[in-house]
Amino acid sequence: EVQLVESGGGLVQPGGSLRLSCAASGFIFSRYWMHWVRQAPGKGLVWVSRINGDGSSTSYADSVKGRFTISRDNAKNTLYLQMNSLRAEDTAVYYCARPGYSSTWLLDVWGKGTTVTVSS
Amino acid sequence: EIVLTQSPGTLSLSPGERATLSCRASQSVSSSYLAWYQQKPGQAPRLLIYGASSRATGIPDRFSGSGSGTDFTLTISRLEPEDFAVYSCQQYGSSPCSFGQGTKLEIK
Repeated sequence: EVQLVESGGGLVQPGGSLRLSCAASGFIFSRYWMHWVRQAPGKGLVWVSRINGDGSSTSYADSVKGRFTISRDNAKNTLYLQMNSLRAEDTAVYYCARPGYSSTWLLDVWGKGTTVTVSS
Repeated sequence: EIVLTQSPGTLSLSPGERATLSCRASQSVSSSYLAWYQQKPGQAPRLLIYGASSRATGIPDRFSGSGSGTDFTLTISRLEPEDFAVYSCQQYGSSPCSFGQGTKLEIK
């Protein structure tokens, strides 16, 4: 069964840091681009970042560029999101997602999400 | 970045009725790379439709998508109780991808 399981969320003060993880199973992890998407309370989905299969190419939403870093460990089948200089507006559920249907952007497998709350 | 605007914000219907949800793009969506997702409270999004009109694996045929260019529609022909949820559109033809703000389909 294809599965993504996020972890690492929690409560952090403004200006703090957090690292999210996403454990993948049931597919050949290294063959896929992987994404992070977030959803603030009561709001819509917002794309955050993506990384290609070997980790050599990354991209970010403008709102997180310079503060967040996406990475992966293909030996551990794990995706990461290092979040620094956190702001209240980063409060959200963070989902990792895998694209499919021969697209690098169409997200057909999602984890259940991990909640990040930025508050003093 | 392409901005997607969904309407209505909330749609109140009864089981058995037909639902029509709209997604309008600020510029043309390349190659009809438009998807629809369903999301229930506390759950991850579930892919329903891709390529504007193709159903994802396992999606019932009461769900259908149509449209091109800047105007797209998700239709649910006969609402089942499990269909009441939030529906979001996504364009994935231009980088970065973008999502609409969602339409909440609630029981009347």
